[in-house]
Amino acid sequence: GENVEQHPSTLSVQEGDSAVIKCTYSDSASNYFPWYKQELGKRPQLIIDIRSNVGEKKDQRIAVTLNKTAKHFSLHITETQPEDSAVYFCAARQEYGNKLVFGAGTILRVKS
Amino acid sequence: DGGITQSPKYLFRKEGQNVTLSCEQNLNHDAMYWYRQDPGQGLRLIYYSQIVNDFQKGDIAEGYSVSREKKESFPLTVTSAQKNPTAFYLCASSIEGNPAGEQYFGPGTRLTVT
Repeated sequence: GENVEQHPSTLSVQEGDSAVIKCTYSDSASNYFPWYKQELGKRPQLIIDIRSNVGEKKDQRIAVTLNKTAKHFSLHITETQPEDSAVYFCAARQEYGNKLVFGAGTILRVKS
Repeated sequence: DGGITQSPKYLFRKEGQNVTLSCEQNLNHDAMYWYRQDPGQGLRLIYYSQIVNDFQKGDIAEGYSVSREKKESFPLTVTSAQKNPTAFYLCASSIEGNPAGEQYFGPGTRLTVT
């Protein structure tokens, strides 16, 4: 089955700097890759996702890149702000399937 | 924060007791899921259901049971057979049938068993 590894487990950045979180997956049939943000005590919420027919997707300060050959994808947050502090999860799923496999999460701390 | 609800927010039980966690959604989603969240381990799938009266085991189904008698409801029972039940439990739902889409999460139930 699918296995998703996520690094780093914790990440501290200065406000205004960029943050990058990386994930690798094992199943080449996976072709949907969402990223979720979970603030302390709250539910995970989708912040961006990418399908395997594109290599990059941007939404304001957030971008995701996908390298299908290497089977890894990354979340990029530019101009970080204190409200970006949260736990971020990557996930992978086969298209038309329903099972998301999550990475272990990255605790992002943005220091002001 | 409407759409998918879980109750209660906090639940305390004695070891050896079964306990049922509620999950309700009014999004008209066909698919529903139960995840368990432990520190440093991400979200692990317990059970999922793609349609009423049908469900499948996830990666960590042992010690848990579910039912899906109504489209809106997907309750999870944590049985006494679950060796380490203390955790944060998240329910989610999604549209079935389209290319893989967003899963919407409930607010979660924190279960403590002593």
